[in-house]
Amino acid sequence: GESVGLHLPTLSVQEGDNSIINCAYSNSASDYFIWYKQESGKGPQFIIDIRSNMDKRQGQRVTVLLNKTVKHLSLQIAATQPGDSAVYFCAETRGSGAGSYQLTFGKGTKLSVIP
Amino acid sequence: KAGVTQTPRYLIKTRGQQVTLSCSPISGHRSVSWYQQTPGQGLQFLFEYFSETQRNKGNFPGRFSGRQFSNSRSEMNVSTLELGDSALYLCASSLDVGNTEAFFGQGTRLTVV
Repeated sequence: GESVGLHLPTLSVQEGDNSIINCAYSNSASDYFIWYKQESGKGPQFIIDIRSNMDKRQGQRVTVLLNKTVKHLSLQIAATQPGDSAVYFCAETRGSGAGSYQLTFGKGTKLSVIP
Repeated sequence: KAGVTQTPRYLIKTRGQQVTLSCSPISGHRSVSWYQQTPGQGLQFLFEYFSETQRNKGNFPGRFSGRQFSNSRSEMNVSTLELGDSALYLCASSLDVGNTEAFFGQGTRLTVV
């Protein structure tokens, strides 16, 4: 079965509010967790990653939180803008033993920003 | 610098045919991975290439194959196409194996009729 999954398939947020997108994972052996954003007609775009031994990492307007106790990952977007409307995927990586890291993606959450 | 380029953007094939998709990674990137994206299964890993060698392979039948050339460009091939192979095929490049910041192309939309 899939080791990375999402709690909600859709999320609607008012422009200017903060958005929180959640993700659950089951594999404790994951090395990194990553968030990707996919806009319509485009490929996924890297947002931010967090190593499995960290709890929090901040980027520009985004924060990723990792709770290893409950195997939960979240992406917080501050002051959500219309351009943030997209599908957001969490992904996890683990080494294959051949020096390769395979990305395993969750199903995705569609974020809609209401102007 | 130019991003990841995938060709063609759209493709329509008939069941039983075979297809070859191409991916040119970002200049200097040596690792290329392929993913299949469908509404039902989401994004699924196909394989990863580095230095012309397949380093990792997902759970897809042998009809799916790929290769990487010395300039890091990659191709994937699907033989004996089935209706269920209709999907968006995405290529991602990264600087090195194990680099989490993968850059995706816009994909090739394959429709099998």
